[in-house]
Amino acid sequence: GAVVSQHPSWVICKSGTSVKIECRSLDFQATTMFWYRQFPKQSLMLMATSNEGSKATYEQGVEKDKFLINHASLTLSTLTVTSAHPEDSSFYICSAREGQGFHEQYFGPGTRLTVT
Amino acid sequence: GQNIDQPTEMTATEGAIVQINCTYQTSGFNGLFWYQQHAGEAPTFLSYNVLDGLEEKGRFSSFLSRSKGYSYLLLKELQMKDSASYLCAFMDSNYQLIWGAGTKLIIKP
Repeated sequence: GAVVSQHPSWVICKSGTSVKIECRSLDFQATTMFWYRQFPKQSLMLMATSNEGSKATYEQGVEKDKFLINHASLTLSTLTVTSAHPEDSSFYICSAREGQGFHEQYFGPGTRLTVT
Repeated sequence: GQNIDQPTEMTATEGAIVQINCTYQTSGFNGLFWYQQHAGEAPTFLSYNVLDGLEEKGRFSSFLSRSKGYSYLLLKELQMKDSASYLCAFMDSNYQLIWGAGTKLIIKP
């Protein structure tokens, strides 16, 4: 089956620093990648959708200057949390889809971010 | 508008059967998904329904009624490892997944 990896799986950083999270599709070309955030005991919240080679589309309420998304190739998307604050501590999950329209989304294992 | 609703928490006994319901409202619909999510892990795909009826896959079955905006996930012969959150999500007309808040299933011996 299709595999999506994320790196790192967990990260602790100090307030004010930036953190980059990588999402890779290992055995397929991901035309579209999605970035989700999940707070404890809550459901997945879609942050943004990115298509390879174009700017990400951010959901309402998500600051695009704070959460920088780059989808430079068909197998890699990155999420950079800039000037992180403790309230950004969360579980960040990416998913990838092979084509447009209906295709199953494959999820990465997630990245646990803790900002101290 | 769009919305999706499922119970927050359910408890069941090992070896028993449990049904997790999900109701949704949307103008554009491209199918309904069920995912399982263990604590601290990403969701894993369980099932997909786009037509009315029951889809069976081993111990898990999923049902859809499009006219009623209703789905359920049926888990049989419950095992302790089935303790997890179960997320339902529908795919809207833009092929985006709209997620429910998840149902935490607690299995007791």
